Amino acid sequence: DTAVSQTPKYLVTQMGNDKSIKCEQNLGHDTMYWYKQDSKKFLKIMFSYNNKELIINETVPNRFSPKSPDKAHLNLHINSLELGDSAVYFCASSQWTNEKLFFGSGTQLSVL
Amino acid sequence: DAKTTQPPSMDCAEGRAANLPCNHSTISGNEYVYWYRQIHSQGPQYIIHGLKNNETNEMASLIITEDRKSSTLILPHATLRDTAVYYCIVRVATQGGGSQGNLIFGKGTKLSVKP
Repeated sequence: DTAVSQTPKYLVTQMGNDKSIKCEQNLGHDTMYWYKQDSKKFLKIMFSYNNKELIINETVPNRFSPKSPDKAHLNLHINSLELGDSAVYFCASSQWTNEKLFFGSGTQLSVL
Repeated sequence: DAKTTQPPSMDCAEGRAANLPCNHSTISGNEYVYWYRQIHSQGPQYIIHGLKNNETNEMASLIITEDRKSSTLILPHATLRDTAVYYCIVRVATQGGGSQGNLIFGKGTKLSVKP
């Protein structure tokens, strides 16, 4: 009964590959987010979607493309992976009018 | 959003109260104080937030000074499972603005609860 679930938990891949991370929430929220936590542990927002519409896109390379098939899902596709993409990626969700975010447990991406 | 300053680390004995300070001297009148924590290998977890009044929930209490330039998160009876990095975040809370998700996480305070 996990509220925000991400798959996979670990992702190891070679440079230049394309990969996807999936996120699903069962909280009935209408807003979902992707955050990136780098090696120095700084957490930074990448995208937010409200009712499947892109709301925030924070200076992220266009190799990263979020896709929201419905309000409960926000997937992250990454093309042409680079070494610098190695990080932990967190999905989160909230209600549009509520400041409380619920985070998933993260996907640790390692690009070799 | 106003910047926050937190001590990099703190220790607390199990069963004692953990008091985590946060300075936000440039806070604006419409900015809230939020606290999240991140237990090792997990995603951040919301703890509490407030504007100017003290707040309490099942997890913690938030004490905000009268001038709102600083606040303290209190875990009344810390347990080993409270060992985590605690983040104090200041930002405007918007009704339906959507940007509430753009939380700016600093380095936080690494709280170690010891037996």
